Parts: sequence; structure tokens; C-alpha cells
Amino acid sequence: NAGVTQTPKFQVLKTGQSMTLQCAQDMNHNSMYWYRQDPGMGLRLIYYSASEGTTDKGEVPNGYNVSRLNKREFSLRLESAAPSQTSVYFCASSEYWGSNTEAFFGQGTRLTVV
Amino acid sequence: QKEVEQNSGPLSVPEGAIASLNCTYSDRGSQSFFWYRQYSGKSPELIMSIYSNGDKEDGRFTAQLNKASQYVSLLIRDSQPSDSATYLCAVIDILTGGGNKLTFGTGTQLKVEL
Repeated sequence: NAGVTQTPKFQVLKTGQSMTLQCAQDMNHNSMYWYRQDPGMGLRLIYYSASEGTTDKGEVPNGYNVSRLNKREFSLRLESAAPSQTSVYFCASSEYWGSNTEAFFGQGTRLTVV
Repeated sequence: QKEVEQNSGPLSVPEGAIASLNCTYSDRGSQSFFWYRQYSGKSPELIMSIYSNGDKEDGRFTAQLNKASQYVSLLIRDSQPSDSATYLCAVIDILTGGGNKLTFGTGTQLKVEL
């Protein structure tokens, strides 16, 4: 009953360091997403992968890269972390089956860049 | 223009009252609509989904959709202090190349007062 699993849950980085956030889903969903959430800003889409083999920029892609490794896994990479990237990051996956659309979230990663 | 708009609130209602949360969206082709509840420090959890015009009821929650007006609402009857949270409206769009895209509003903070 895992659903969407993202790691790590917490991370502190120094400015300029790099890291990769991992996300995996076991619901056979085609679409996966990375969002960031800052106070008062709601969930802002960084990148998404509508289906395996495709990735597209969302609302705030600068400073990030993504990889859709396979249907289950979608990773987010920060090549050179900046304090402005301090945020809570959520991975999500979704599937549309007509009237039975569903979308679920991971538990979030709280990232601090100092 | 942001794709999904919500009033950020806070919306304060007394315990036992009806809370009314509203959302508008810009893409007439949007297919499915969701309401998520998010407690502070937690990931969003799905509480309602709606796909057709009209009302959909689930316990104390009623979602309303008007595609002509591009408007989605959530009514919470008999509001309880435990309903105090941020409510996020989300829209899913089916992409011509396959897969789907999930976009969120900024959320409305609801406070239910004793």
C-alpha cells in the first residue's frame, strides 16, 4: 500500500551543492509531477512527465532538471542549489480513466539551502 | 492569468456553519476537478473529485461544478474545528500526446472557530 514514495524527507544543502530527489509510484500511473510549495504560494509545478519518455516544464523550472527513469520513477535534480530553492517539494502521480481519475502525493521533502 | 484561481483567505466560519470555498479555471477543455485538504506540514489529501456539471455529495462535503462558468466550489456542512486546513482546488487536463497534467490553485485557508 505504498502509493507515492519520495526520498529524502529532510535535507540541508550548502549553496552550490547538488542533490537528487527520488520519487516512485506503484499505481501504474502514466503521469508524474514535481511541485514546490512555499508559504502563501500554493503548489507550483516545476516539471511534469505526462507519460513515460516525456518531460515538460511547468511554472517554475529554472534551476531544476528531471529524469523519467521508467514508468515508476521520476527524479528531480538540483545541480547548484540556491537559497531561493528552500522549499517543500512534493511528488505526485495521476491517471485519467474517464470518470475514474485519481491523483496522489508523496509525503514531501523539506529542503533547506544555507 | 493563472490557470486555477482561488481566494487565499483566511476564511473564518463558526463551528456548525457551512463553509463555501470557490475556484475558477481558465481552460475550457479541462476535464476533471479535485479538492484537496492540506494540514500544516502534511501532504495534500484528496477529499472530492467531480467530472460532470452539477453537485456531488460525500458526507458533509458537496462539490459543485459549472463548466459553462468555469467554476468549481466545495461546501462543507456542519463545519468542525478539525476542518481547519488549506483547501486546494486542482484541475486535470488530458494532453493530446497522451497522459495528463495536474494544476493547482494557491489554496484557501479555512479556519473553523469554536
